[in-house]
Amino acid sequence: DIVMTQSPDSLAVSLGERATINCKSSQNILYSSNNKNYLAWYQQKPGQPPKLLIYWASTRQSGVPDRFSGSGSGADFTLTISSLQAEDVAVYYCQQYYTTPYTFGRGTKLEIK
Amino acid sequence: QVQLRESGPGLVKPSETVSLTCTVSGGAISGHYWNWIRQSPGRGLEWIGSVYYSGHANYNPSLRSRVTISVDTSKNHFSLNLNSVTTADTAVYYCARGEIALDSWGQGTLVAVSS
Repeated sequence: DIVMTQSPDSLAVSLGERATINCKSSQNILYSSNNKNYLAWYQQKPGQPPKLLIYWASTRQSGVPDRFSGSGSGADFTLTISSLQAEDVAVYYCQQYYTTPYTFGRGTKLEIK
Repeated sequence: QVQLRESGPGLVKPSETVSLTCTVSGGAISGHYWNWIRQSPGRGLEWIGSVYYSGHANYNPSLRSRVTISVDTSKNHFSLNLNSVTTADTAVYYCARGEIALDSWGQGTLVAVSS
């Protein structure tokens, strides 16, 4: 199985500041034939299911604010929230869909400082 | 906008089979992949498996011997059967749509395994 390792486990950022979450896969998840990274980011708030934010490592899902951005390639990826809002408090997960079994990171808990 | 809703028993005894159904509304089940994922404090988010609307299923090898996922396009729902459950199977079970990431999720249903 591909292991997804997120860092940090938790993060406290001031409102309006930048938040950065990292995700590393245990193997390359860039498919050479289409040059796409099979990596998604999700946001989960308490009592709710995960919500898709980003897919193909950097494509925002429809309706997701543009303060959320994804970057990276190969095996190293980053989710950035450019200006933290109160409603962004949540746990964030990365997931690879390069091969089954699809696997998720353990999550990064984002709080307000 | 497609909506998914899980249904099934909240409590199951060890060694029994848990059967869950995910009803899809606001969109067709045809043309998509449909997934089951579970979440527990110990295991985090764990992909259980998926089924294409045609009926072809793909399972997590860690659960393959105990899992069956099926689809009923006439009822616009798909189902999960997990047999020989233990307390380690206690989790919130989600259904979700997608092959290119998981773009729509149900609210989840808690399944507790206890005697």
